[in-house]
Amino acid sequence: QQQVKQSPQSLIVQKGGISIINCAYENTAFDYFPWYQQFPGKGPALLIAIRPDVSEKKEGRFTISFNKSAKQFSLHIMDSQPGDSATYFCAASITGANNLFFGTGTRLTVIP
Amino acid sequence: EAGVVQSPRYKIIEKKQPVAFWCNPISGHNTLYWYRQNLGQGPELLIRYENEEAVDDSQLPKDRFSAERLKGVDSTLKIQPAELGDSAVYLCASSPRWQGAGYTFGSGTRLTVV
Repeated sequence: QQQVKQSPQSLIVQKGGISIINCAYENTAFDYFPWYQQFPGKGPALLIAIRPDVSEKKEGRFTISFNKSAKQFSLHIMDSQPGDSATYFCAASITGANNLFFGTGTRLTVIP
Repeated sequence: EAGVVQSPRYKIIEKKQPVAFWCNPISGHNTLYWYRQNLGQGPELLIRYENEEAVDDSQLPKDRFSAERLKGVDSTLKIQPAELGDSAVYLCASSPRWQGAGYTFGSGTRLTVV
């Protein structure tokens, strides 16, 4: 059973546009929600993370929006650049357990 | 600072053969993880170590998979015998004991079983 559901599977965005990736979870015990970026041939790299006590977190062009009541969270990439082309994974975990449950990934392509 | 180092980067073996993967975590990271990433999927946890102790190996197929972390530093993941369905990328990650710092993943070992 997929603990974290992610959509869309793939996304094509024009340079300068906004990329939006959505995730949903069922387990209300999750209290840590990171996003990872993965380039071909590399391991996932932590991009940004949020805890459910805040509804939004912004780091540069990357923003996480979190809706606790809906059990959903999303990644927004503003001013998308060709260098952002990668696969993005949302994930969730429970403090203390440390095991990350990953979504199935979104392959983002930013067209120049 | 060196990141998580894994070797080999690629491995092609015939089914029923044994294979081993090696991981050197970031210095000072107590927690070490092995994940498996199938093509087009997110990583899935196989085993988690706190120092030398395997604290979560519930997803490790113990009939053919084994792992060890001697002296609480390097770790080895072994498959014997390998099956066609084991073809995947095997990722090692490490983190400080406390959550919040995030994992650091290695580049993985891509295993192809033919």
